[in-house]
Amino acid sequence: NAGVTQTPKFQVLKTGQSMTLQCAQDMNHNSMYWYRQDPGMGLRLIYYSASEGTTDKGEVPNGYNVSRLNKREFSLRLESAAPSQTSVYFCASSESRINTGELFFGEGSRLTVL
Amino acid sequence: QQQVKQSPQSLIVQKGGISIINCAYENTAFDYFPWYQQFPGKGPALLIAIRPDVSEKKEGRFTISFNKSAKQFSLHIMDSQPGDSATYFCAAEGTYKYIFGTGTRLKVLA
Repeated sequence: NAGVTQTPKFQVLKTGQSMTLQCAQDMNHNSMYWYRQDPGMGLRLIYYSASEGTTDKGEVPNGYNVSRLNKREFSLRLESAAPSQTSVYFCASSESRINTGELFFGEGSRLTVL
Repeated sequence: QQQVKQSPQSLIVQKGGISIINCAYENTAFDYFPWYQQFPGKGPALLIAIRPDVSEKKEGRFTISFNKSAKQFSLHIMDSQPGDSATYFCAAEGTYKYIFGTGTRLKVLA
């Protein structure tokens, strides 16, 4: 059982380049999330999708866009990468947005912007 | 901005010792308090969680102590083992909000 799968695991970009991080879950969860993890700052929510067809901003959405392609897939796009977006990105899913309970995380995508 | 304050930032414990990590929250609407464990190169995974109707929850060597009046909760790892070396995140959840602490890097010395 794969759970939450993220691609790519590693990526190096130059400032101004664009890229998309892909995420898929096979647990039939309704809600999906994108977090970034930076040293000393914990996990911060970028965007979330409470259900298929909806997306909403989290705590740090600037510079990012998302697409909930279907119930399984939720992608994160950086249109014009900046060094401040160097981070480890985690996709997560949960059964429901309300009273979320357990979050299931992928293994992360480490992004470096030069 | 609602916060969950976590301490210490790092912790070194001898094998067999007790590891204690503390968190404090502000929003009394939070009603779910999980702890996540993260190993290097991996995503966080739920370790143990508690709801505010109980003051303590124990699962094996891991215990959450919860103090509703003080708005604090803590993770205790009894008989700490080198395999427990990881980063631990507390979190607090209320309707539509899931806030993480900043993490504690635990190292258990063999």
